Amino acid sequence: EIVLTQSPGTLSLSPGERATLSCRASQTVTNNYLAWYQQKPGHAPRLLIYRASSRATGIPDRFSGSGSGTDFTLTISRLEPEDFAVYYCQHYGSGLPITFGPGTKVDI
Amino acid sequence: QITLKESGPTLVKPTQTLTLTCTFSGFSLTANGGNREGVGWIRQPPGKALEWLALISWDDGKRFSPSLKNRLSITKDTSKKQVVLSMTNMDPLDTGTYYCARFLFYSSGTYYMAHDFWGQGTLVTVSS
Repeated sequence: EIVLTQSPGTLSLSPGERATLSCRASQTVTNNYLAWYQQKPGHAPRLLIYRASSRATGIPDRFSGSGSGTDFTLTISRLEPEDFAVYYCQHYGSGLPITFGPGTKVDI
Repeated sequence: QITLKESGPTLVKPTQTLTLTCTFSGFSLTANGGNREGVGWIRQPPGKALEWLALISWDDGKRFSPSLKNRLSITKDTSKKQVVLSMTNMDPLDTGTYYCARFLFYSSGTYYMAHDFWGQGTLVTVSS
């Protein structure tokens, strides 16, 4: 099982600022099968990024993903008020259980 | 339009078995067509992080969280467009919101390996 670690736990920023969120895997993520989700209170998660760097349908281009191997990053170029939420990374590996990271809260 | 909806009891007693049903529409969960899909279950204790539980694939492949695999089972009925999750020996620590979500393996030449559509979730409380 691959364990995902996210940092920081909480990121306190203001609208218009850049947010950089980290996700580190305990083993190499093959084929970059790493996804990012956004979750707002009382709502189901929403897929933002799949395969480390591909934006899901309808996701604004201020969201971008990068990384490979064991280190991945989600960047929000200019925070909008609606971007304040919790962000989770998720890994898929052939023959392995799917795992989520513990989340990063982006706070005002 | 793809939708998923969870249904099942909102309150279960300790030691009981929880059975949740995910009813979906807009996709088939079969080998027909170009997509390769699955349906997974994810839960979230109040105020805590997401925890992945189980996944069933279009080819009836199944995988489970290692920490819970002895308590979980997952089945699909593609004619009814339903996926059923059962969890035995429920404990108050199992209280939380349970989500089902489509897992898209492959579509139109692209591998996704992500949960792209989610149900609204159902809150399950375990208490005597």
